[in-house]
Amino acid sequence: GAGVSQSPSNKVTEKGKDVELRCDPISGHTALYWYRQSLGQGLEFLIYFQGNSAPDKSGLPSDRFSAERTGGSVSTLTIQRTQQEDSAVYLCASSPADGVYEQYFGPGTRLTVT
Amino acid sequence: GQQVMQIPQYQHVQEGEDFTTYCNSSTTLSNIQWYKQRPGGHPVFLIQLVKSGEVKKQKRLTFQFGEAKKNSSLHITATQTTDVGTYFCAGRRYNQGGKLIFGQGTELSVKP
Repeated sequence: GAGVSQSPSNKVTEKGKDVELRCDPISGHTALYWYRQSLGQGLEFLIYFQGNSAPDKSGLPSDRFSAERTGGSVSTLTIQRTQQEDSAVYLCASSPADGVYEQYFGPGTRLTVT
Repeated sequence: GQQVMQIPQYQHVQEGEDFTTYCNSSTTLSNIQWYKQRPGGHPVFLIQLVKSGEVKKQKRLTFQFGEAKKNSSLHITATQTTDVGTYFCAGRRYNQGGKLIFGQGTELSVKP
């Protein structure tokens, strides 16, 4: 079946603009995660959603970052007033449920803030 | 701050040599997962370890979880050029649901 998809694949924006990044998880997966990966670095946890529970937002770096998940499926990560340090690859992952399941990653969105 | 440390950051080996990457957590983990990211790609799940002292093998790859569930290692025997990529460990802490904390990764390059 289809894997995790993300759009756009690349986004170039000017400093100060808002951006929205979209993630379509694998159908039926109840858990959805967002990570940020800077060049040559590891994955930085941002936020995760599990079913109807309140999301774990503990990794969001500032209040300019927010995310929502509509209908338990598609998720949007919004970055307001982008800064150059926001430039990175934003990865989304989903898993069948919370807990001990593996995460399936999407191809990522490469964000460049000029 | 970073709670899962992974070393080395880079490893260059000749094809046929062995490779090991180590992962250490500041806290006890409920389980640990390993992922591989090929250049230009996204992380792909390799394996999960749950039990104290657990050892799992996948062909030339051997994964271990420490007795205290704070450290883990991945060992590749007789590396091949197809092993090139960055290997990440990712730990899950108790009472934090599905949240994974990733190590910084070890980038492996293999010279033919």
